[in-house]
Amino acid sequence: GAVVSQHPSWVICKSGTSVKIECRSLDFQATTMFWYRQFPKQSLMLMATSNEGSKATYEQGVEKDKFLINHASLTLSTLTVTSAHPEDSSFYICSARIPTRAGTRSYEQYFGPGTRLTVT
Amino acid sequence: GENVEQHPSTLSVQEGDSAVIKCTYSDSASNYFPWYKQELGKGPQLIIDIRSNVGEKKDQRIAVTLNKTAKHFSLHITETQPEDSAVYFCAAIRSGAGSYQLTFGKGTKLSVIP
Repeated sequence: GAVVSQHPSWVICKSGTSVKIECRSLDFQATTMFWYRQFPKQSLMLMATSNEGSKATYEQGVEKDKFLINHASLTLSTLTVTSAHPEDSSFYICSARIPTRAGTRSYEQYFGPGTRLTVT
Repeated sequence: GENVEQHPSTLSVQEGDSAVIKCTYSDSASNYFPWYKQELGKGPQLIIDIRSNVGEKKDQRIAVTLNKTAKHFSLHITETQPEDSAVYFCAAIRSGAGSYQLTFGKGTKLSVIP
């Protein structure tokens, strides 16, 4: 399957600082990437959909000024958690979708390894 | 919107036995059903998927079945091994002209007892 990488795999930061998480598609171009958040023992919660060259679409309840998403190229999307607070501590996972066949609307979705954020 | 129910939430089986996880979905327009395996501290890994024009798909020890009429799909793991222990998520996607929305189930924690 397709490979999606994330960096860093874990990060500890102090309250009030900002943290940037990178998501890369390694062997394919992804026009659309997704950012999820996962709390312990829970399912994945979609935060936003990141489209290359345009503004991200945020899910209801997700603060776009707090979680800045930039999808500057077909292989890179970044999530910046601004002015982080302890309640932002979570497991953040990016995902990319690729068409199963070029030119079709049939997709597969692959996930990165996740980034564990701890805000102290 | 779509709603995906997944059962059971936890499942323990003896090594070598079979494991079955079931999901139901609400949106009859959903047409793609992937299954993901998530090990502790890692991202979900796509292990098998099925599209709405197929009733069953098998890949070695894992298989997925789909009943469109009843709107449910299941994951079957045979000859389970300790390394199968993980959390499994089902998902349903409505993919088509102008739309793409993936909805996850709440997950099933599978424990394979040696």
